Amino acid sequence: GEDVEQSLFLSVREGDSSVINCTYTDSSSTYLYWYKQEPGAGLQLLTYIFSNMDMKQDQRLTVLLNKKDKHLSLRIADTQTGDSAIYFCAATLSGGYNKLIFGAGTRLAVHP
Amino acid sequence: GAVVSQHPSRVICKSGTSVKIECRSLDFQATTMFWYRQFPKQSLMLMATSNEGSKATYEQGVEKDKFLINHASLTLSTLTVTSAHPEDSSFYICSVRGGRVAFFGQGTRLTVV
Repeated sequence: GEDVEQSLFLSVREGDSSVINCTYTDSSSTYLYWYKQEPGAGLQLLTYIFSNMDMKQDQRLTVLLNKKDKHLSLRIADTQTGDSAIYFCAATLSGGYNKLIFGAGTRLAVHP
Repeated sequence: GAVVSQHPSRVICKSGTSVKIECRSLDFQATTMFWYRQFPKQSLMLMATSNEGSKATYEQGVEKDKFLINHASLTLSTLTVTSAHPEDSSFYICSVRGGRVAFFGQGTRLTVV
């Protein structure tokens, strides 16, 4: 089955760029997502990318997809303290977009 | 605004009692909703898929008699944790699909004492 892996922790200085990486195993995953979770809250969709795209940019967020290596990254430009949260990468199971498989989440800490 | 509303956000109950969690789709009709469980500092684990007007589909290892799911309308699914025990304490989150995107509720922190 699908397996999604992420690094567990990232610490950056305010104003720098953050890059959170994710790998997945199912090459037929159709959609890949990035969600943000703040303490005690649900998941907030940040962005998603379709498998036939290489890059998607939305304001400070840039998603890069290397389908050959099954590698997904989320870049946050000009990282702010409000960006401190856990970021989850998620992938759809092969062929459909109903079930999502989540990575373990990357805890982003932004310090002054 | 919120797409998915989940209530309550926090509940504390005694061992042996049952707790009901509601998940409402606010912006669109949802024939399918999803229930996840999240342990502290861990990822989300899909528990079951809630289907409007029919039985829920449970993931392997999830006890259907323990976690009762009812999806009686196109905008409401409920998860009832029956005969709750301390090991059921967790963060429960529901999800609704809107096209290609999954929207999540705010989550319910269940503590069983």
